[in-house]
Amino acid sequence: SQQGEEDPQALSIQEGENATMNCSYKTSINNLQWYRQNSGRGLVHLILIRSNEREKHSGRLRVTLDTSKKSSSLLITASRAADTASYFCATAYQGGSEKLVFGKGMKLTVNP
Amino acid sequence: DAGVIQSPRHEVTEMGQEVTLRCKPISGHNSLFWYRQTMMRGLELLIYFNNNVPIDDSGMPEDRFSAKMPNASFSTLKIQPSEPRDSAVYFCASRPKTGAWGEQYFGPGTRLTVT
Repeated sequence: SQQGEEDPQALSIQEGENATMNCSYKTSINNLQWYRQNSGRGLVHLILIRSNEREKHSGRLRVTLDTSKKSSSLLITASRAADTASYFCATAYQGGSEKLVFGKGMKLTVNP
Repeated sequence: DAGVIQSPRHEVTEMGQEVTLRCKPISGHNSLFWYRQTMMRGLELLIYFNNNVPIDDSGMPEDRFSAKMPNASFSTLKIQPSEPRDSAVYFCASRPKTGAWGEQYFGPGTRLTVT
């Protein structure tokens, strides 16, 4: 399967702490994207990192990409209760169609 | 902008009945994707369209599923006949013209329960 895999599958932290989520994938990519899903809602795009980029920031989010290890990490700094959600990585594979392949997601709980 | 609109938000039907899910993409977006989400299988791409043309339907589980996009502002996903294993949340997403593999904008989903 080309599906990305998030790790850990669940994480529970206190408000103010940092949360790190990892994603591994299997084949060469054009880009990797992170999405958030609040309970009962659709997915919301957070950030996109291209295969020739190593790090990207957006507000409290920091994403890194290591194409040699086929892995990415999403860091949320100074977490808030509102960050409680499921987080998905999605990979856009080179040479294939334009579709994204989503991992199964990781549940983050931020306790107030 | 209204975002991606899906209807109905919830659908409960009996096995064997026809189910039609509807999606209105964001105006100006030229790609549309249908996904299914379950606990067991996660988020699966069923089919996607570029400029109203189906490009990849390899994720459609079987002939009971069909999708159409008659114009740039409307798409349907039909299941006929429905089965209990079709119970899932179905999402529609659209993507702007800014390039392949770009970010997708998801609708709120339709929660389908087949009894």
